[in-house]
Amino acid sequence: DAGVIQSPRHEVTEMGQEVTLRCKPISGHNSLFWYRQTMMRGLELLIYFNNNVPIDDSGMPEDRFSAKMPNASFSTLKIQPSEPRDSAVYFCASSFVAAVEQYFGPGTRLTVT
Amino acid sequence: RKEVEQDPGPFNVPEGATVAFNCTYSNSASQSFFWYRQDCRKEPKLLMSVYSSGNEDGRFTAQLNRASQYISLLIRDSKLSDSATYLCVVGNYGGSQGNLIFGKGTKLSVKP
Repeated sequence: DAGVIQSPRHEVTEMGQEVTLRCKPISGHNSLFWYRQTMMRGLELLIYFNNNVPIDDSGMPEDRFSAKMPNASFSTLKIQPSEPRDSAVYFCASSFVAAVEQYFGPGTRLTVT
Repeated sequence: RKEVEQDPGPFNVPEGATVAFNCTYSNSASQSFFWYRQDCRKEPKLLMSVYSSGNEDGRFTAQLNRASQYISLLIRDSKLSDSATYLCVVGNYGGSQGNLIFGKGTKLSVKP
């Protein structure tokens, strides 16, 4: 079975540019999570969806960040405009229901110069 | 107080050693508990769930003490391949908080 799929795996962009990260959760999973990981702050939850509906977006840093889940098999995380402090690894994870074990994608390593 | 706290390490141990990691959590209503493993530049992966009665998976033993809000992971006969960061994870149900809270991780380095 395919795991969580993320694209791109690496993204290098200039400050001010729009960045879109993509995620395909495991088929049949109802919950999807976006995380950001840095050395300083560890793994931070940005937003999560249950049945395609955003449940908690309190971790989204600011209005430059937005996330959508138009259907059960696809989600995007967009940063517009990007800033150097957004450089991090962004993980998408999915689970059958919230608060049980989650399965992570390989992550997108974002560098904003 | 942080929701999930771990000693960041690093723990540097020789092959064959026994090593223990500890973790505390702040929400007494938490209902699910896990240990995840993360290799360098990789995604976190579930190592094992943690049950109140304690559970064992080969060389790995996890314990949960709800009264003290304390979780532990014991690795026996450590291998070079055990080198990784171990993340303590707590799950909260109910309302808008049905998600997992990750500790920052404890780094383990097993040396020959």
